Amino acid sequence: GAVVSQHPSRVICKSGTSVKIECRSLDFQATTMFWYRQFPKQSLMLMATSNEGSKATYEQGVEKDKFLINHASLTLSTLTVTSAHPEDSSFYICSARDMTTGELFFGEGSRLTVL
Amino acid sequence: AQRVTQPEKLLSVFKGAPVELKCNYSYSGSPELFWYVQYSRQRLQLLLRHISRESIKGFTADLNKGETSFHLKKPFAQEEDSAMYYCALSPSGSARQLTFGSGTQLTVLP
Repeated sequence: GAVVSQHPSRVICKSGTSVKIECRSLDFQATTMFWYRQFPKQSLMLMATSNEGSKATYEQGVEKDKFLINHASLTLSTLTVTSAHPEDSSFYICSARDMTTGELFFGEGSRLTVL
Repeated sequence: AQRVTQPEKLLSVFKGAPVELKCNYSYSGSPELFWYVQYSRQRLQLLLRHISRESIKGFTADLNKGETSFHLKKPFAQEEDSAMYYCALSPSGSARQLTFGSGTQLTVLP
């Protein structure tokens, strides 16, 4: 079946540094990918919709300069957390929409810890 | 704005007992409703969607527009059903932009 891969699965960084998380669709093409954030024991909150070849659409309250999203190809979207702070520590999950079938597939998530 | 409510954070049932996970939604248009499941240490995966009206792993869910509900049911729970279940809503035409409920952790006891 279709697979979405996220990398890294875990990352620890120092406060003030930037971290990039990749989301790849391995056997299908995705014009649309979504980035979610999940706090412990809470639901997934949509952060932004990533569109291939165009700017991402951010949800209300999500800082676009803080969370940079790039969707340069039909199989890759990246989320860069810039100048990370401890409050950015969270579980980040991406999903990718198969442009042929419309089906949505989720990555395994990336746990970010900012010290 | 749309909203999905799952009133139960935790639900425990015995093996073989019926189980119902509640989901209510608010949305002014005609949404698509989904149930996603996350087994321990695995990624989120689609369980079923209302438009297909299918039964997956013995689970069914009926969209009740009058009550704005999409409860998930299974007549005889199995231990392997223990997982986190999320109800989700996608506005029609939104290319599957999902709003998730807070999730219900189902534990099926032996």
